[in-house]
Amino acid sequence: DQQVKQNSPSLSVQEGRISILNCDYTNSMFDYFLWYKKYPAEGPTFLISISSIKDKNEDGRFTVFLNKSAKHLSLHIVPSQPGDSAVYFCAASASGGSNYKLTFGKGTLLTVNP
Amino acid sequence: GAGVSQSPRYKVAKRGQDVALRCDPISGHVSLFWYQQALGQGPEFLTYFQNEAQLDKSGLPSDRFFAERPEGSVSTLKIQRTQQEDSAVYLCASSRSGGANIQYFGAGTRLSVL
Repeated sequence: DQQVKQNSPSLSVQEGRISILNCDYTNSMFDYFLWYKKYPAEGPTFLISISSIKDKNEDGRFTVFLNKSAKHLSLHIVPSQPGDSAVYFCAASASGGSNYKLTFGKGTLLTVNP
Repeated sequence: GAGVSQSPRYKVAKRGQDVALRCDPISGHVSLFWYQQALGQGPEFLTYFQNEAQLDKSGLPSDRFFAERPEGSVSTLKIQRTQQEDSAVYLCASSRSGGANIQYFGAGTRLSVL
């Protein structure tokens, strides 16, 4: 069973507009969440993270929102740029002895059109 | 080096052949991880090292998979008697310390078993 779900395989937006990527999780033990960006033929690159004690974390154009009651997080990119076109992975780790282990979603392909 | 380095980038093996994949983590990083990424999926955890100690190998798919990090730096993932279902991208990641931390990924080794 998938504990981290990214239900949109792809998303297309216009340059300058907002991109919103969504992620749902089922494991209530997850308490640390990360977003990674991946270009073709490269490894995932860390983008932004959030701990469960917060509901928002912002870094430049990127903001992650966490709704614990809904077990939902989202990544907002404003304004979107063509260079943001990549696959975005949501990942989570659980509290406890295995907190080093990341569980990933399947990813969402974002295309930003000029 | 500046980032996590993996070699080879691509490996083609005949079914039944043994392969060895190398990972050079970021200098000074205590923790090292191996993930397997099948086509269209997110990375899946294989194993975790803290320095030279392999603390978790719960994700290794079978006893044909073996990983080591003898001096607490470079790591090798070995797959014996490769099968077609082993075809995937194998990603290595490292992090500064143990626990829930940002993991920095290499570009991966794409293994194709014919």
